[in-house]
Formats: sequence, structure tokens, C-alpha cells
Amino acid sequence: EPEVTQTPSHQVTQMGQEVILRCVPISNHLYFYWYRQILGQKVEFLVSFYNNEISEKSEIFDDQFSVERPDGSNFTLKIRSTKLEDSAMYFCASKRGNQPQHFGDGTRLSIL
Amino acid sequence: GESVGLHLPTLSVQEGDNSIINCAYSNSASDYFIWYKQESGKGPQFIIDIRSNMDKRQGQRVTVLLNKTVKHLSLQIAATQPGDSAVYFCAENLNTGNQFYFGTGTSLTVIP
Repeated sequence: EPEVTQTPSHQVTQMGQEVILRCVPISNHLYFYWYRQILGQKVEFLVSFYNNEISEKSEIFDDQFSVERPDGSNFTLKIRSTKLEDSAMYFCASKRGNQPQHFGDGTRLSIL
Repeated sequence: GESVGLHLPTLSVQEGDNSIINCAYSNSASDYFIWYKQESGKGPQFIIDIRSNMDKRQGQRVTVLLNKTVKHLSLQIAATQPGDSAVYFCAENLNTGNQFYFGTGTSLTVIP
């Protein structure tokens, strides 16, 4: 069964540094998402992306965050200047049309 | 120190028994709901969904019930198995948007 894949599985970064989290959505999916989950808390929506543009974003997704689909397969989340509170699991998801989202296994981001 | 994490509701069941996991959703305008299962170190995995024009939907060993009057969703797992041990989240969506709002989750432990 096709999967959403995310790399790296664990990213350790110094505070203030830029970080890029990578995702390869399922190949025939058209809608892409990023979520985060702070340890022990609920999954929170960050952003949705469709037709090469952001379709919706939450309050968390401030101007330190950006997303990009640089080619036909990758979908990236960039945090420009990381803060301690950015430490979390980041999940990528994709879907096709009016179907449920499929999630990757996440990238654990640790900010030191 | 002050706890900043959420304390998950927990449910323990004997192997072979039926499990019922409940979720109260927040927005009466939500019209699409999904139950996800999240195992340790993994992303949310789709289990079953239901739209607001239905009040019950059955899958393999799972049934979702929707009560729009009281904004309540439940997941029933028949003949619970050790592999069902995980955190279960409900997520709600407004048809007008891309955001899914996740609940806090319930931790299910199956006792062999």
C-alpha cells in the first residue's frame, strides 16, 4: 500500500537555525498538509496546500514557517529560525479528493 | 513543576472484550469525522470515517456512531486484540475548510 514518507525521522537543531523537514506524499494525491504534535498533546493543524499554493493555515503557522513543493514529489516545511517551543513531532499528510488524509510517521524535531 | 501536557483518558480492556471509545466534538457545523489510531512512534492511521448525513457506519471489527444532537462520536471495537493497543483520536472537519481538528485522544490498553 502506498505510504507518505518523511525524512529525517529525527532532526536535532540549534535554536535560531533553519530547518527543513521533508515529505514525499502518495503519488496521486493532490492535497498536502503539515501537522505538529507537541509531546503529550493533541495533533495540531499547521497548513494545507493545494494547486501549488497554501489553501489554509492556522495561527501557529506564522511567518517563520513556509512550505514548498519544489518538484513533482516532495513537499517541505521550513522553519526559518527555530525556537525551543518548536520541538515537536511534525507529521505530513496527503489525500486525494474527498478521501481521508494519510499520514506519514513523522519527524521528531528537537531544538537545543 | 507545572505539567504542560494533557492527561489522556485511558481505557483498559481484556482481550476479546468489546471497547467503546468516546469523543465530544466542538463544532456543530462539522460534517465529516474520522477516527485515527496512533501507535507509539508512528503517525495517525485512518480507521474509519463518517459524514454527518449518517449516524452509524461499520467497518471490519469497528463501528462509528455519530450523535449530532449532543455532538458525540464513539468508536466501538469488537473482540479487542493486543494489537489494538494505541491512542485513538477523533478528528472533525468542516466541509468549507481543510482543517481537521483533533481531539485529545484516548489511550487503549488491551490486557492479554
